[in-house]
Amino acid sequence: SQTIHQWPATLVQPVGSPLSLECTVEGTSNPNLYWYRQAAGRGLQLLFYSVGIGQISSEVPQNLSASRPQDRQFILSSKKLLLSDSGFYLCAWSARVKGAEAFFGQGTRLTVV
Amino acid sequence: KNEVEQSPQNLTAQEGEFITINCSYSVGISALHWLQQHPGGGIVSLFMLSSGKKKHGRLIATINIQEKHSSLHITASHPRDSAVYICAVRSGSNYQLIWGAGTKLIIKP
Repeated sequence: SQTIHQWPATLVQPVGSPLSLECTVEGTSNPNLYWYRQAAGRGLQLLFYSVGIGQISSEVPQNLSASRPQDRQFILSSKKLLLSDSGFYLCAWSARVKGAEAFFGQGTRLTVV
Repeated sequence: KNEVEQSPQNLTAQEGEFITINCSYSVGISALHWLQQHPGGGIVSLFMLSSGKKKHGRLIATINIQEKHSSLHITASHPRDSAVYICAVRSGSNYQLIWGAGTKLIIKP
C-alpha cells in the first residue's frame, strides 16, 4: 500500500539556523511531490512541486529551497531561518493522472524563535 | 479574491445538530478534496470528489460542477467532530491543490 512519511512532527529552531524537513513516499513510483505551508491564520499555500528527480518548481519566492535527490524523497531546506518561516508544513503526493487522489503527510509544525 | 472560498469561517453548534460547510471555487478543477485538520495539525483526507455525492458514516459530501460549489454535511454532530475542515481543489497541469482557508467547527456537548 502507498504511504507517506514526513518528519519531524514538531520543530523549534532559532532564527538563523538551518532547516531540513524530509518526506518519503512508499508503494509508488514516479509521483508528483508537493510542499505546502500554512502560516498562522491562513490557508495552505503551495511552495514547491516536483515531477521528477532533480526537477523542482517554486511557486512562491521565499527563504526556502527544495530538492528531490531520489524518486520518492522530497526535502525542504533553508540555510538561515527567519521568524516568518514559522508555520505548518505539509508534504503531499499524487500520481500523474488527472483526477488521481492526493495523499498527505502528517505535517511539521515549525516554530522559529 | 481567493480561488477557493469557504463559509462559514467559524461554526459553533450543539451536539446532534446537522452541520453544513460550503466551498465555492473559481477555477477549472479535476477533483475536489475535503480534509480534516485537528489541533495538532495532522491532516486527514475525508473525501475526493469529481462529481455527484459521497457518503462515509455521518459525513456527506456533494459537488455541483456547473455551479462550482461543494458542500460537506455532518449528521448527528458530536464533540469529536470538532476540527478545522478544509476544502481543496486540484487544478493546473501539475495537479497542485489550491486550498480554502478552512472552517473551524466546534461542537458543544
